[in-house]
Amino acid sequence: SAVISQKPSRDICQRGTSLTIQCQVDSQVTMMFWYRQQPGQSLTLIATANQGSEATYESGFVIDKFPISRPNLTFSTLTVSNMSPEDSSIYLCSVEDRGEYNEQFFGPGTRLTVL
Amino acid sequence: GNSVTQMEGPVTLSEEAFLTINCTYTATGYPSLFWYVQYPGEGLQLLLKATKADDKGSNKGFEATYRKETTSFHLEKGSVQVSDSAVYFCALTGRGDKIIFGKGTRLHILP
Repeated sequence: SAVISQKPSRDICQRGTSLTIQCQVDSQVTMMFWYRQQPGQSLTLIATANQGSEATYESGFVIDKFPISRPNLTFSTLTVSNMSPEDSSIYLCSVEDRGEYNEQFFGPGTRLTVL
Repeated sequence: GNSVTQMEGPVTLSEEAFLTINCTYTATGYPSLFWYVQYPGEGLQLLLKATKADDKGSNKGFEATYRKETTSFHLEKGSVQVSDSAVYFCALTGRGDKIIFGKGTRLHILP
């Protein structure tokens, strides 16, 4: 199984600022994903981070608000831009084991509070 | 499309009680089924999985059986502990599809 780390683990930010979250995997993976988990809710997929090309965003999420980078097969960043209190959530990075069972492994998450 | 429905929480039990968290699914083909657990302040961890009908996944005393006839994957544990307090997510994925999560069930175990 992949070991995933995220930085920062938590942050408190002011409205209108931006925060970049880093995700590092201990092995090369093809598929990396970014999720948002709003307080008391399940996970919502923001986008698939594609290595060497633009990320694929889910309905309701746009690149201007959540720009993503994927410079190589072990690293990705998600930026939350022009933040508002509604962006307060846990942001999770995950990778997929593209073996037979499409199992996903998750990072510990970044807990973001926007004041 | 694919979907997962799990029982709403919170579920509150006393230590050593029997636990069942219901999960049913809708999917085409033969999905893989998962239970993930999220302990307070942490990310998601895979708890167990089953990849074909009648498979039983098990880990840490938890079990779930892939029932195709009832499209269910209920999570059970015979004797819960306070340390089992967490949020549990049922999930499925089909080959080539994105993983789909249920809404999560919060479990509180009282000493």
